[in-house]
Amino acid sequence: AQTVTQSQPEMSVQEAETVTLSCTYDTSENNYYLFWYKQPPSRQMILVIRQEAYKQQNATENRFSVNFQKAAKSFSLKISDSQLGDTAMYFCAFLANAGGTSYGKLTFGQGTILTVHP
Amino acid sequence: DAGVIQSPRHEVTEMGQEVTLRCKPISGHDYLFWYRQTMMRGLELLIYFNNNVPIDDSGMPEDRFSAKMPNASFSTLKIQPSEPRDSAVYFCASSLRRSTDTQYFGPGTRLTVL
Repeated sequence: AQTVTQSQPEMSVQEAETVTLSCTYDTSENNYYLFWYKQPPSRQMILVIRQEAYKQQNATENRFSVNFQKAAKSFSLKISDSQLGDTAMYFCAFLANAGGTSYGKLTFGQGTILTVHP
Repeated sequence: DAGVIQSPRHEVTEMGQEVTLRCKPISGHDYLFWYRQTMMRGLELLIYFNNNVPIDDSGMPEDRFSAKMPNASFSTLKIQPSEPRDSAVYFCASSLRRSTDTQYFGPGTRLTVL
Protein backbone atom coordinates (compact mmCIF):
# COMPACT_ATOMS: atom_id res chain seq x y z
CA ALA A 1 0.00 0.00 0.00
CA GLN A 2 1.10 3.55 -0.69
CA THR A 3 1.41 6.31 1.88
CA VAL A 4 1.68 10.03 1.28
CA THR A 5 3.01 12.37 3.96
CA GLN A 6 2.75 16.13 4.10
CA SER A 7 4.75 17.23 7.12
CA GLN A 8 3.66 20.87 7.13
CA PRO A 9 0.13 21.27 8.53
CA GLU A 10 0.19 25.02 7.91
CA MET A 11 2.29 27.49 5.94
CA SER A 12 2.06 31.20 5.32
CA VAL A 13 3.63 33.53 2.77
CA GLN A 14 3.50 37.17 1.83
CA GLU A 15 1.87 38.14 -1.43
CA ALA A 16 4.34 38.08 -4.38
CA GLU A 17 6.80 35.86 -2.52
CA THR A 18 7.68 32.21 -3.15
CA VAL A 19 6.67 29.26 -1.00
CA THR A 20 7.45 25.53 -1.18
CA LEU A 21 5.15 22.81 0.12
CA SER A 22 6.66 19.42 0.96
CA CYS A 23 5.43 15.93 0.17
CA THR A 24 7.02 12.53 0.56
CA TYR A 25 5.59 9.17 -0.37
CA ASP A 26 6.31 5.53 0.11
CA THR A 27 5.71 2.92 -2.56
CA SER A 28 7.18 -0.20 -4.08
CA GLU A 29 5.80 0.73 -7.49
CA ASN A 30 8.08 2.01 -10.22
CA ASN A 31 5.44 3.42 -12.50
CA TYR A 32 3.08 6.00 -11.03
CA TYR A 33 1.74 9.54 -11.13
CA LEU A 34 1.85 12.33 -8.59
CA PHE A 35 -0.52 15.25 -8.25
CA TRP A 36 -1.06 18.42 -6.33
CA TYR A 37 -4.66 19.43 -5.77
CA LYS A 38 -5.86 22.72 -4.28
CA GLN A 39 -8.95 22.99 -2.09
CA PRO A 40 -9.99 26.62 -1.46
CA PRO A 41 -12.66 27.55 1.12
CA SER A 42 -15.31 26.74 -1.49
CA ARG A 43 -14.06 23.11 -0.93
CA GLN A 44 -13.85 22.42 -4.69
CA MET A 45 -10.86 20.14 -5.42
CA ILE A 46 -8.86 21.72 -8.23
CA LEU A 47 -5.96 20.08 -10.06
CA VAL A 48 -2.82 22.18 -9.80
CA ILE A 49 -0.19 20.00 -11.44
CA ARG A 50 0.56 16.41 -12.50
CA GLN A 51 3.87 14.55 -12.77
CA GLU A 52 4.57 11.22 -14.46
CA ALA A 53 7.19 9.22 -12.57
CA TYR A 54 8.91 8.10 -15.78
CA LYS A 55 9.60 11.70 -16.75
CA GLN A 56 12.76 13.21 -15.31
CA GLN A 57 11.73 16.73 -16.23
CA ASN A 58 9.84 18.54 -13.50
CA ALA A 59 6.31 19.61 -14.40
CA THR A 60 5.42 23.30 -14.47
CA GLU A 61 2.13 25.17 -14.82
CA ASN A 62 2.56 28.92 -14.90
CA ARG A 63 3.51 29.99 -11.35
CA PHE A 64 3.43 26.41 -10.07
CA SER A 65 6.33 23.98 -10.42
CA VAL A 66 7.42 20.78 -8.74
CA ASN A 67 10.71 19.34 -7.58
CA PHE A 68 10.37 15.60 -8.20
CA GLN A 69 13.11 13.48 -6.63
CA LYS A 70 12.23 9.88 -7.46
CA ALA A 71 15.05 8.22 -5.53
CA ALA A 72 14.21 10.24 -2.43
CA LYS A 73 10.47 9.76 -3.01
CA SER A 74 9.94 13.47 -2.66
CA PHE A 75 7.52 15.71 -4.58
CA SER A 76 7.47 19.34 -3.46
CA LEU A 77 5.36 22.15 -4.91
CA LYS A 78 6.78 25.62 -5.46
CA ILE A 79 4.43 28.55 -5.85
CA SER A 80 6.08 31.67 -7.24
CA ASP A 81 4.66 35.20 -7.06
CA SER A 82 2.05 34.07 -4.52
CA GLN A 83 -1.39 35.61 -4.89
CA LEU A 84 -4.22 36.01 -2.40
CA GLY A 85 -6.24 33.54 -4.46
CA ASP A 86 -3.65 30.85 -3.72
CA THR A 87 -4.94 30.65 -0.15
CA ALA A 88 -6.23 27.09 0.18
CA MET A 89 -5.55 23.61 1.48
CA TYR A 90 -3.09 21.80 -0.79
CA PHE A 91 -3.11 18.02 -1.13
CA CYS A 92 -0.37 15.84 -2.54
CA ALA A 93 -1.68 12.62 -4.13
CA PHE A 94 -0.26 9.37 -5.52
CA LEU A 95 -1.72 7.15 -8.26
CA ALA A 96 -0.23 3.77 -9.20
CA ASN A 97 0.02 2.86 -12.89
CA ALA A 98 0.20 -0.90 -12.57
CA GLY A 99 -2.10 -3.77 -11.78
CA GLY A 100 -2.92 -4.77 -8.26
CA THR A 101 -5.17 -3.50 -5.54
CA SER A 102 -3.89 0.08 -5.72
CA TYR A 103 -4.48 0.54 -9.45
CA GLY A 104 -6.69 3.53 -10.14
CA LYS A 105 -6.83 4.64 -6.51
CA LEU A 106 -5.69 8.13 -5.59
CA THR A 107 -3.96 8.18 -2.19
CA PHE A 108 -3.94 11.63 -0.59
CA GLY A 109 -1.71 13.23 1.99
CA GLN A 110 -3.15 15.00 5.02
CA GLY A 111 -2.99 18.42 3.39
CA THR A 112 -1.18 21.71 4.04
CA ILE A 113 -3.14 24.88 4.74
CA LEU A 114 -1.49 27.75 2.89
CA THR A 115 -2.36 31.34 3.77
CA VAL A 116 -1.18 34.19 1.54
CA HIS A 117 -0.99 37.50 3.40
CA PRO A 118 -1.35 40.88 1.66
CA ASP B 1 -17.73 21.97 -20.25
CA ALA B 2 -19.87 22.03 -17.13
CA GLY B 3 -17.50 19.87 -15.10
CA VAL B 4 -18.63 17.23 -12.64
CA ILE B 5 -22.01 18.09 -11.16
CA GLN B 6 -23.14 16.96 -7.72
CA SER B 7 -26.41 17.40 -5.91
CA PRO B 8 -27.40 18.39 -3.37
CA ARG B 9 -24.59 20.68 -2.23
CA HIS B 10 -25.74 20.40 1.37
CA GLU B 11 -27.85 17.76 3.05
CA VAL B 12 -29.00 17.68 6.66
CA THR B 13 -30.87 14.64 7.83
CA GLU B 14 -31.70 12.74 10.97
CA MET B 15 -30.17 9.49 12.06
CA GLY B 16 -31.90 6.50 10.50
CA GLN B 17 -33.05 8.32 7.39
CA GLU B 18 -32.06 7.32 3.87
CA VAL B 19 -29.72 9.70 2.05
CA THR B 20 -29.08 9.75 -1.70
CA LEU B 21 -26.24 11.73 -3.23
CA ARG B 22 -26.13 12.31 -6.97
CA CYS B 23 -23.36 12.82 -9.50
CA LYS B 24 -23.14 13.63 -13.19
CA PRO B 25 -19.63 13.04 -14.58
CA ILE B 26 -17.99 15.03 -17.33
CA SER B 27 -19.43 13.96 -20.67
CA GLY B 28 -17.26 11.35 -22.36
CA HIS B 29 -15.46 10.28 -19.21
CA ASP B 30 -15.39 6.54 -18.70
CA TYR B 31 -14.40 6.44 -15.03
CA LEU B 32 -16.32 7.69 -12.03
CA PHE B 33 -15.07 7.81 -8.46
CA TRP B 34 -16.75 8.47 -5.10
CA TYR B 35 -14.64 9.88 -2.25
CA ARG B 36 -15.36 10.86 1.34
CA GLN B 37 -13.53 13.61 3.22
CA THR B 38 -13.48 13.83 7.01
CA MET B 39 -11.20 15.57 9.48
CA MET B 40 -10.18 12.29 11.05
CA ARG B 41 -9.56 10.19 7.93
CA GLY B 42 -8.87 12.79 5.26
CA LEU B 43 -9.84 11.92 1.68
CA GLU B 44 -10.58 8.28 1.04
CA LEU B 45 -11.84 6.44 -2.03
CA LEU B 46 -15.12 4.62 -1.53
CA ILE B 47 -15.81 3.05 -4.92
CA TYR B 48 -15.10 3.53 -8.59
CA PHE B 49 -16.80 2.57 -11.85
CA ASN B 50 -15.56 1.95 -15.38
CA ASN B 51 -18.16 2.22 -18.13
CA ASN B 52 -20.92 2.03 -15.50
CA VAL B 53 -19.53 -1.17 -13.94
CA PRO B 54 -18.25 -1.12 -10.33
CA ILE B 55 -14.56 -2.05 -10.37
CA ASP B 56 -13.49 -1.67 -6.75
CA ASP B 57 -15.79 -1.11 -3.80
CA SER B 58 -13.32 -2.10 -1.11
CA GLY B 59 -13.48 1.39 0.38
CA MET B 60 -17.21 1.27 1.06
CA PRO B 61 -17.39 1.34 4.85
CA GLU B 62 -20.25 -1.08 5.38
CA ASP B 63 -23.44 -2.50 3.95
CA ARG B 64 -25.34 0.67 4.74
CA PHE B 65 -23.54 2.25 1.78
CA SER B 66 -24.39 1.40 -1.81
CA ALA B 67 -23.57 3.00 -5.15
CA LYS B 68 -25.03 2.62 -8.59
CA MET B 69 -24.33 3.90 -12.07
CA PRO B 70 -27.35 3.13 -14.26
CA ASN B 71 -25.92 5.01 -17.25
CA ALA B 72 -22.86 6.94 -18.37
CA SER B 73 -24.17 10.27 -17.15
CA PHE B 74 -25.49 9.50 -13.68
CA SER B 75 -24.43 7.85 -10.46
CA THR B 76 -25.85 7.69 -6.95
CA LEU B 77 -24.38 7.00 -3.54
CA LYS B 78 -26.97 5.89 -1.02
CA ILE B 79 -26.70 5.56 2.74
CA GLN B 80 -29.46 3.62 4.48
CA PRO B 81 -29.84 4.01 7.39
CA SER B 82 -27.67 7.06 7.98
CA GLU B 83 -25.68 7.56 11.20
CA PRO B 84 -24.00 10.66 12.70
CA ARG B 85 -20.55 9.22 11.89
CA ASP B 86 -21.46 9.39 8.20
CA SER B 87 -21.28 13.20 8.41
CA ALA B 88 -18.63 14.24 5.88
CA VAL B 89 -18.10 15.86 2.50
CA TYR B 90 -18.68 13.41 -0.33
CA PHE B 91 -16.94 14.04 -3.64
CA CYS B 92 -17.55 12.58 -7.03
CA ALA B 93 -14.78 12.65 -9.63
CA SER B 94 -14.39 11.44 -13.20
CA SER B 95 -11.54 10.66 -15.56
CA LEU B 96 -11.37 10.22 -19.30
CA ARG B 97 -10.24 6.83 -20.62
CA ARG B 98 -7.99 5.22 -18.05
CA SER B 99 -8.22 5.07 -14.29
CA THR B 100 -4.78 6.70 -14.29
CA ASP B 101 -5.97 9.73 -16.22
CA THR B 102 -6.36 12.90 -14.19
CA GLN B 103 -9.42 12.88 -11.99
CA TYR B 104 -11.63 15.98 -12.04
CA PHE B 105 -13.70 16.57 -8.95
CA GLY B 106 -17.18 17.89 -8.40
CA PRO B 107 -17.96 20.56 -5.78
CA GLY B 108 -18.87 17.97 -3.16
CA THR B 109 -21.93 17.35 -0.99
CA ARG B 110 -21.68 18.28 2.67
CA LEU B 111 -23.72 15.73 4.60
CA THR B 112 -24.73 16.29 8.20
CA VAL B 113 -26.51 13.50 10.06
CA LEU B 114 -28.06 14.64 13.34
